[in-house]
Amino acid sequence: DAGVTQSPTHLIKTRGQQVTLRCSPKSGHDTVSWYQQALGQGPQFIFQYYEEEERQRGNFPDRFSGHQFPNYSSELNVNALLLGDSALYLCASSLDPGGSETQYFGPGTRLLVL
Amino acid sequence: KNQVEQSPQSLIILEGKNCTLQCNYTVSPFSNLRWYKQDTGRGPVSLTIMTFSENTKSNGRYTATLDADTKQSSLHITASQLSDSASYICVVTESYGQNFVFGPGTRLSVLP
Repeated sequence: DAGVTQSPTHLIKTRGQQVTLRCSPKSGHDTVSWYQQALGQGPQFIFQYYEEEERQRGNFPDRFSGHQFPNYSSELNVNALLLGDSALYLCASSLDPGGSETQYFGPGTRLLVL
Repeated sequence: KNQVEQSPQSLIILEGKNCTLQCNYTVSPFSNLRWYKQDTGRGPVSLTIMTFSENTKSNGRYTATLDADTKQSSLHITASQLSDSASYICVVTESYGQNFVFGPGTRLSVLP
């Protein structure tokens, strides 16, 4: 039973470029949440997807967008990259969007914007 | 504003010793509180989850407490091991369950 997987593991981009990060949830999970974690800080909630819709969003600009596919996998897109977007991007999956079930995190994608 | 604060920011203890990490929150309405362990460069792993009615929850050498009246939680680690070296993150879920507020974490280092 595979856990949460993310790709790529590392990525280097330049300012102004666009990036797409991918996440496959734990088997049987239908809810995917994305987080941004700057170095030395706790994760910040970006948004959550359930039933292919964005159900909740944190305090992130519209440059951050996402998508969930029928197989529950998800993508995070960031447009017009800024230096401050450099961070570890974590994906977490769970059985329930209501927050009562444990979230399982992937290993993250380390994004560096130069 | 919903916030989660943790203390201390970092902690160094000797192997075999006990320690307690603190979490204070202002998240309202409250749904549940989780403690996660995050090894460097890896995703967080859930240790405990507590709802409003639960005062304590144990997971091996980890024991979490919750005081919903004072909005405080603690994570007690007993007989620490070198592998306990990690960041410990407190996460509070707003009621209706769709907003997860993360604390900044406490960085624990266990030395031999």
